[in-house]
Amino acid sequence: GENVEQHPSTLSVQEGDSAVIKCTYSDSASNYFPWYKQELGKGPQLIIDIRSNVGEKKDQRIAVTLNKTAKHFSLHITETQPEDSAVYFCAASMQSNYQLIWGAGTKLIIKP
Amino acid sequence: EAGVAQSPRYKIIEKRQSVAFWCNPISGHATLYWYQQILGQGPKLLIQFQNNGVVDDSQLPKDRFSAERLKGVDSTLKIQPAKLEDSAVYLCASSLGQGNREQYFGPGTRLTVT
Repeated sequence: GENVEQHPSTLSVQEGDSAVIKCTYSDSASNYFPWYKQELGKGPQLIIDIRSNVGEKKDQRIAVTLNKTAKHFSLHITETQPEDSAVYFCAASMQSNYQLIWGAGTKLIIKP
Repeated sequence: EAGVAQSPRYKIIEKRQSVAFWCNPISGHATLYWYQQILGQGPKLLIQFQNNGVVDDSQLPKDRFSAERLKGVDSTLKIQPAKLEDSAVYLCASSLGQGNREQYFGPGTRLTVT
């Protein structure tokens, strides 16, 4: 079955700098890759997603890139702000069942 | 548009007791998911419903967990009897279905089993 690995587990960056979180997946049949942000005491919030027919997608300060050949995808956050501090999860899903296979999460810490 | 609603938000029970969680998905969403999230881990799917039918419950510990979505709208997840290792956050998510894959999550129910 599908397996998703996420790195790093913790990332600390200075406010205003960029942050990059990387994920790899194992099943080439996966074709949908969402990213979720989870703040303390809240459920995961979908922040951006990408489908396998697209290489990059941007939404203001966040972007996601996908390399299907290498089977990895990354989340990029530019001009980080204190409110970006949270746990970020990547996930992968196949067309067959739409179920999400989740990475282990990255705790992003924005230092003032 | 109202989000996914869950109740209660917190629950503390003793082992071997029973507990039930309730979820009301976003209006019009056909697909409903229950996840278990242990501290420091990603969510783990327990069961997926499409309208009032079960799509996948392969990871639901059926000897103690049960779930239903009788009218294809809200859903309940029950644990009976609870074990210490059931301490986790139980998340409900919904999606439109019909090719629309974005899942939207509720705030979760934090269960502590003592």
